[in-house]
Amino acid sequence: DVKVTQSSRYLVKRTGEKVFLECVQDMDHENMFWYRQDPGLGLRLIYFSYDVKMKEKGDIPEGYSVSREKKERFSLILESASTNQTSMYLCASRENFGTSVSYEQYFGPGTRLTVT
Amino acid sequence: AQKVTQAQTEISVVEKEDVTLDCVYETRDTTYYLFWYKQPPSGELVFLIRRNSFDEQNEISGRYSWNFQKSTSSFNFTITASQVVDSAVYFCALSEAQGGSEKLVFGKGTKLTVNP
Repeated sequence: DVKVTQSSRYLVKRTGEKVFLECVQDMDHENMFWYRQDPGLGLRLIYFSYDVKMKEKGDIPEGYSVSREKKERFSLILESASTNQTSMYLCASRENFGTSVSYEQYFGPGTRLTVT
Repeated sequence: AQKVTQAQTEISVVEKEDVTLDCVYETRDTTYYLFWYKQPPSGELVFLIRRNSFDEQNEISGRYSWNFQKSTSSFNFTITASQVVDSAVYFCALSEAQGGSEKLVFGKGTKLTVNP
């Protein structure tokens, strides 16, 4: 079974703090993704990574950065957290895009971040 | 541009009823992939099915069935004899094979409540 884990289920941070959300997958997948989920807006892609040290902006990258130093780990960084970044954050992984986009993405349990 | 529409925001049924969740998509590509995911109250998105644009065969898996019709750009999901454990938010998603941006575009989801 594919296993995607996220470092925290719930997180509370103060405005202006630097926040790290960690995601680890154990299936040797090349591709990894970060989404945020908000009521009425669905899931929106923040960043994705094709492979180690590679990253691409998604639909809403502003205020976020990412790091992928090892294949199994993909970190989302909020450089200076703001209240409008309060959301559910979901990480996903998938087999290599280079062969096919047909593969499904596997999701972690999510991190519910509250910025006060 | 890709778009996925799930017109039903919320559906409530009584246990053992059949229920159909609608999904309509838009794409200019001839090769694309459609997915359904389930998000139970725990938060983790669970992959249910993948279908490519060349395969219009309907699929049945236990109480779940999917009806893919290219003529109407629809990929509907039916749960037969619903159970309380089916209560969740269900997402339909679309991925294009030739898309340079490589995105999985989600609908806004349908919240299904199955009452005992």
